[in-house]
Amino acid sequence: DQQVKQNSPSLSVQEGRISILNCDYTNSMFDYFLWYKKYPAEGPTFLISISSIKDKNEDGRFTVFLNKSAKHLSLHIVPSQPGDSAVYFCAAKNYGQNFVFGPGTRLSVLP
Amino acid sequence: ETGVTQSPTHLIKTRGQQVTLRCSSQSGHNTVSWYQQALGQGPQFIFQYYREEENGRGNFPPRFSGLQFPNYSSELNVNALELDDSALYLCASSLDSQTGNTIYFGEGSWLTVV
Repeated sequence: DQQVKQNSPSLSVQEGRISILNCDYTNSMFDYFLWYKKYPAEGPTFLISISSIKDKNEDGRFTVFLNKSAKHLSLHIVPSQPGDSAVYFCAAKNYGQNFVFGPGTRLSVLP
Repeated sequence: ETGVTQSPTHLIKTRGQQVTLRCSSQSGHNTVSWYQQALGQGPQFIFQYYREEENGRGNFPPRFSGLQFPNYSSELNVNALELDDSALYLCASSLDSQTGNTIYFGEGSWLTVV
């Protein structure tokens, strides 16, 4: 039973446009969420986090939105750049537990 | 650059053999987690060590074991290797296992079992 889902295996976006990556979760006890970016042959790199007491967190080009009632979070990248092409993972946890990761979405930013 | 280092980066083992993977955590971090990432999947939690004690374990058999040392570095040991153990093994460190802290990954160790 997948507790964290990323239903789009891949996404293609034109350079300069907005990329929106989606993540759904089933466990209502999750209270902390992370997004990671992963290039081939590298470990995941932390991008941005959000706790359940917020509904938005922004860091430069990256913004994460959390909708607790829908158990949904999304990562917005504006403007998208070719260097953003990677696999993006969302992860969730509740207090004192380990992180559960989604299967990832491959983002391709086309020049 | 996360400050989390793993070794070796790549290795090939034969089915039935044993393997030890190593991880040095980021300075100041006392918690280390290990994850297995198979091709096309997200990282799957193996176990976590906090101040040298295992304090969480995922759905992995006992032949996956670990250690954490006083300097908070860690080892992952896998006995009786199976072909399905072929994966990227990721170590992640964090400041404290009990709070909502971010975990930072190393580059990973690629294990191929033949």
